[in-house]
Amino acid sequence: GQNIDQPTEMTATEGAIVQINCTYQTSGFNGLFWYQQHAGEAPTFLSYNVLDGLEEKGRFSSFLSRSKGYSYLLLKELQMKDSASYLCAVRGGGSARQLTFGSGTQLTVLP
Amino acid sequence: DVKVTQSSRYLVKRTGEKVFLECVQDMDHENMFWYRQDPGLGLRLIYFSYDVKMKEKGDIPEGYSVSREKKERFSLILESASTNQTSMYLCATKVGYTQETQYFGPGTRLLVL
Repeated sequence: GQNIDQPTEMTATEGAIVQINCTYQTSGFNGLFWYQQHAGEAPTFLSYNVLDGLEEKGRFSSFLSRSKGYSYLLLKELQMKDSASYLCAVRGGGSARQLTFGSGTQLTVLP
Repeated sequence: DVKVTQSSRYLVKRTGEKVFLECVQDMDHENMFWYRQDPGLGLRLIYFSYDVKMKEKGDIPEGYSVSREKKERFSLILESASTNQTSMYLCATKVGYTQETQYFGPGTRLLVL
């Protein structure tokens, strides 16, 4: 089976840096995704990691350690519009089509 | 840009009614998915389809069925709606057997009274 854990809530200040962690236990591994979801809206794709290391995309970076079953999403220079839920999702072994999602981390950015 | 549309943003139904939720995509993606999203539980996969007339059960298929008669359209059916099916329903699509991301529709918030 698949199990994905991430913190329920986080709070940070505008302009700061925040790290959202995700740990997973899966049968097989074919990549880890991060999505952003604003209240009442659909999730939108942020990043994808399949190899160990850091992927940087503007203010957002995502890190993966497959041996530790661990990933984090790093958000720099936080803006108010970054207040959203951040979803970690893992594609396990077997079918390359299915994702298993964590419950999401609700990030609140304060002025 | 990928466009995924869902037939309704908000829907109110009564217990026992048959409910149809439709999802349409315009990018010729082979794979389509139906999820429900509930507070504290995240997104859970109900059913998915990797080709026309093909379907596979996800993690929580009980109480649901699906139909994929055309490549661009994937329908979720609640044969007899129950109050515990009150939820946000999200459709997603993905191209082929690749590492590509899934693209989500805007969601349908269903309330069953």
